[in-house]
Amino acid sequence: ETGVTQTPRHLVMGMTNKKSLKCEQHLGHNAMYWYKQSAKKPLELMFVYNFKEQTENNSVPSRFSPECPNSSHLFLHLHTLQPEDSALYLCASSQETSGGPEQFFGPGTRLTVL
Amino acid sequence: DQQVKQNSPSLSVQEGRISILNCDYTNSMFDYFLWYKKYPAEGPTFLISISSIKDKNEDGRFTVFLNKSAKHLSLHIVPSQPGDSAVYFCAASGQGGKLIFGQGTELSVKP
Repeated sequence: ETGVTQTPRHLVMGMTNKKSLKCEQHLGHNAMYWYKQSAKKPLELMFVYNFKEQTENNSVPSRFSPECPNSSHLFLHLHTLQPEDSALYLCASSQETSGGPEQFFGPGTRLTVL
Repeated sequence: DQQVKQNSPSLSVQEGRISILNCDYTNSMFDYFLWYKKYPAEGPTFLISISSIKDKNEDGRFTVFLNKSAKHLSLHIVPSQPGDSAVYFCAASGQGGKLIFGQGTELSVKP
């Protein structure tokens, strides 16, 4: 596996379900990010982790709970979501937050909340 | 308040001609600007970047121009190819590794 991978690629869940999105990077990076892309809107940064420590929470509702057990893995735990949370969730990584600006993205998880 | 704006949601260009994608920003503290390309069902792919201390960066068919006084950057693709058809996002880099993205411009290159 190379680059940034995300699973699952598609997810449909009800508002009472609990699910998790997984991201893994094989680039030796130390920073990882969660973004949300809703239709016709720019990518919105949700969370930033640098060396496994959360350094940014962009006012994200608590029904989204990130977890970064090591520099290669990032999870987004979902519970009691709303239909307006339906979007493409993208994970990205970079060398570190104070390094070069380039971030490398995974393919995303297309989430539908019923 | 959107700090990075791409005012053209779509652009159609003939194969072999030049594609020019535009981006405006409001924050003069941004230190890097980047362009990403996104195909359907894939994540954005990094294309080219430029430091705020430069006004031009070129990589093959892709050139990014930065006009700091106008807070404007553009991506030139020449010659355009059908495989360039995708959504192009500009992004600006601020503190703490944050990237702020524009809304995207969908480029269609017609054979």
